[in-house]
Amino acid sequence: AQSVTQPDIHITVSEGASLELRCNYSYGATPYLFWYVQSPGQGLQLLLKYFSGDTLVQGIKGFEAEFKRSQSSFNLRKPSVHWSDAAEYFCARYNFNKFYFGSGTKLNVKP
Amino acid sequence: EAQVTQNPRYLITVTGKKLTVTCSQNMNHEYMSWYRQDPGLGLRQIYYSMNVEVTDKGDVPEGYKVSRKEKRNFPLILESPSPNQTSLYFCASSSGTERYGYTFGSGTRLTVV
Repeated sequence: AQSVTQPDIHITVSEGASLELRCNYSYGATPYLFWYVQSPGQGLQLLLKYFSGDTLVQGIKGFEAEFKRSQSSFNLRKPSVHWSDAAEYFCARYNFNKFYFGSGTKLNVKP
Repeated sequence: EAQVTQNPRYLITVTGKKLTVTCSQNMNHEYMSWYRQDPGLGLRQIYYSMNVEVTDKGDVPEGYKVSRKEKRNFPLILESPSPNQTSLYFCASSSGTERYGYTFGSGTRLTVV
């Protein structure tokens, strides 16, 4: 079945530390992949997306993600986390006329 | 400003009392969708619409209705709400198809007692 897996439900990092959020997708042709962020009480905001081409994608707020076909992964990274990055992050994919969301990773940022 | 507007943001209602959650987008998007978000279950699609007068069921359509009479509006209707429809609801729109990604509304927190 088509799916998106985010193996980490919660992650805590210290402010200024680097961040990597994991995302794996199940079998499919080259997928359309997305990362969204949801701040408390807010809707989802698109951080970045991958369709094809360069496997390293730059997004807003200093985030980037790397598509690795061999690992079926699309991990989100940020070199230095800010307290305002505390939120829930959702990986998503589009394939065969269907949009799939992962279950989300909640990021806590320690001062 | 390009946006998807949902109303109300918060709603408490009683079982069986019909309600409508409105959704409007100002981006001339063809594709609109409704999702519900529940802890541990992520986002699940309720209904979607590919254009005016074209709607179809998502993964969890039971107990919901939608209509798309105008391109900008996509209301979600609960004819007889039940407590298991207590959830956070999001409307979203996309240009063309979903593959370009969604713009989401700010959400509607619905409680059915």
